[in-house]
Amino acid sequence: AQSVTQLGSHVSVSEGALVLLRCNYSSSVPPYLFWYVQYPNQGLQLLLKYTSAATLVKGINGFEAEFKKSETSFHLTKPSAHMSDAAEYFCAVPQKAAGNKLTFGGGTRVLVKP
Amino acid sequence: NAGVTQTPKFQVLKTGQSMTLQCAQDMNHEYMSWYRQDPGMGLRLIHYSVGAGITDQGEVPNGYNVSRSTTEDFPLRLLSAAPSQTSVYFCASSYDRSYGYTFGSGTRLTVV
Repeated sequence: AQSVTQLGSHVSVSEGALVLLRCNYSSSVPPYLFWYVQYPNQGLQLLLKYTSAATLVKGINGFEAEFKKSETSFHLTKPSAHMSDAAEYFCAVPQKAAGNKLTFGGGTRVLVKP
Repeated sequence: NAGVTQTPKFQVLKTGQSMTLQCAQDMNHEYMSWYRQDPGMGLRLIHYSVGAGITDQGEVPNGYNVSRSTTEDFPLRLLSAAPSQTSVYFCASSYDRSYGYTFGSGTRLTVV
């Protein structure tokens, strides 16, 4: 089964600084990958998705992610952090079986300092 | 378009009580799932459904039942609540593997 690993459970950035959240997938190339964001006391919201149509994917709220097969990575970036970006971010991969169930990374909590 | 609606948002149960967490979606999605989210454990799949009348177990099904009599609804039943079931529960639905899942806002359950 496909899996994803997120490096770093917590990231602290200053407002206006680059946000970089790391996600690596297991060795076989997945056809789809997702980044979700969870704001405090809310559900998960889809930020962006990779569907093999393009390696650079743009999402909502100024986030983007680049799929790199050579590095088995799908890192999430945002050039300039805003206070409203404080949240937890999850990388996820859908399984072919089990009702397309999502397998999540452990999550990365982002703290934005003023 | 309401998306995925979960009720209630908060619930406190006593050990041994039963209850049903409701989940409804209005997007005509065939795939629906229940997850629980616990600190340090991430999101874990409880049960899922690939269409009306078809359900299956996920990673942590013990103590929970589901049914899917319609495309829209996918209730999760706790048979006899235990403190270990204290968690935040999310229902999610999907049209297709490529679309990802749409999540509800969650039910925060405390079992005392």
